Amino acid sequence: AAGVIQSPRHLIKEKRETATLKCYPIPRHDTVYWYQQGPGQDPQFLISFYEKMQSDKGSIPDRFSAQQFSDYHSELNMSSLELGDSALYFCASSKLGTQGDEQYFGPGTRLTVT
Amino acid sequence: SQQGEEDPQALSIQEGENATMNCSYKTSINNLQWYRQNSGRGLVHLILIRSNEREKHSGRLRVTLDTSKKSSSLLITASRAADTASYFCATGNTGNQFYFGTGTSLTVIP
Repeated sequence: AAGVIQSPRHLIKEKRETATLKCYPIPRHDTVYWYQQGPGQDPQFLISFYEKMQSDKGSIPDRFSAQQFSDYHSELNMSSLELGDSALYFCASSKLGTQGDEQYFGPGTRLTVT
Repeated sequence: SQQGEEDPQALSIQEGENATMNCSYKTSINNLQWYRQNSGRGLVHLILIRSNEREKHSGRLRVTLDTSKKSSSLLITASRAADTASYFCATGNTGNQFYFGTGTSLTVIP
């Protein structure tokens, strides 16, 4: 079965650079979530999209933005990168029912800011 | 953590023993999910329990949910060395948000 695809898997950037992370949800899933997990930390919810519209916002810095496109893939854009942005970034997708549904996670993108 | 707290933070048991992890949360939820994460790896979905369910089983996993106490437990029976990982609970509410607990680090000693 198809899973959530994230690209790239690894990314190294310098401070003040920009980065774009991509997420391709499971086919027919309508909701995408982004999470950030710092070293030794629990995953933190950043933002979610339902049917291409932003549906909820968590602890996403103003330097970050995201969108979901017509083919349901999503991109997380990160500007003015800081050392503290080094983390694993997970994308998850789900088919939203009235009570929410299982989230399926991608393998993550490991971002290293030097 | 924005939502859940898990205890214990770390648990070490012998292979073959049962492992129980608990998760408490703060607000009303629609569902609660348990995930496993091996060190530095991705999250693996284990089980989802909805707010109108009290208990769910999947293989060696048993999850309970007590919405009156805002708590859930994950029981792994007959543990194996391969179960060594961090285990997180995540709660889903009416919005499209899921919040993770702080995680329990489980070590199963062969």
